[in-house]
Amino acid sequence: RKEVEQDPGPFNVPEGATVAFNCTYSNSASQSFFWYRQDCRKEPKLLMSVYSSGNEDGRFTAQLNRASQYISLLIRDSKLSDSATYLCVVNRYSGYSTLTFGKGTMLLVSP
Amino acid sequence: EADIYQTPRYLVIGTGKKITLECSQTMGHDKMYWYQQDPGMELHLIHYSYGVNSTEKGDLSSESTVSRIRTEHFPLTLESARPSHTSQYLCASSESRGRTDTQYFGPGTRLTVL
Repeated sequence: RKEVEQDPGPFNVPEGATVAFNCTYSNSASQSFFWYRQDCRKEPKLLMSVYSSGNEDGRFTAQLNRASQYISLLIRDSKLSDSATYLCVVNRYSGYSTLTFGKGTMLLVSP
Repeated sequence: EADIYQTPRYLVIGTGKKITLECSQTMGHDKMYWYQQDPGMELHLIHYSYGVNSTEKGDLSSESTVSRIRTEHFPLTLESARPSHTSQYLCASSESRGRTDTQYFGPGTRLTVL
């Protein structure tokens, strides 16, 4: 089983739609969680960290369920510019800190 | 925007050549990382460094080597390139903040070995 699993998509949605992505992780020792965004053939860029209490940044809302080892990202009022691959990322700390990346979920927002 | 740079951005080279991929950051970050990413696949950590003269291998086995002589510089070397090394190589850096490090990525080097 992969350490971080995501539905690869693509999710095809019209502008203005609300879309949600899910991610599960297998290592219960995971301590920090992130969503990164990666445009085609570009580097990943941090979208937001994910906190236990849930957090919101504009149109983006992230949730974490430690008991179910499940992370989600909700995007409201989708824009064309939201089209990208969204990477679920989990940080492990065992004397040193490393990130494990999911394969990503592709989002395509159409006019 | 993060100040982390990689050169070259694209490299096409023949089998057997020695290559060095450059990565530098001007943020004074103590931690630096190299990832490998094939098209449509996840990033895999191949090397990391927690400071000058510190280097470790990552989760994915790689024939490349790295060095960290200066804080800002973390080059990756392939002694003899092979077609199986064709991939995108992404460098990242982060600042130690307890157990949570936000990593910032360079633009990547897209390597093709013929």
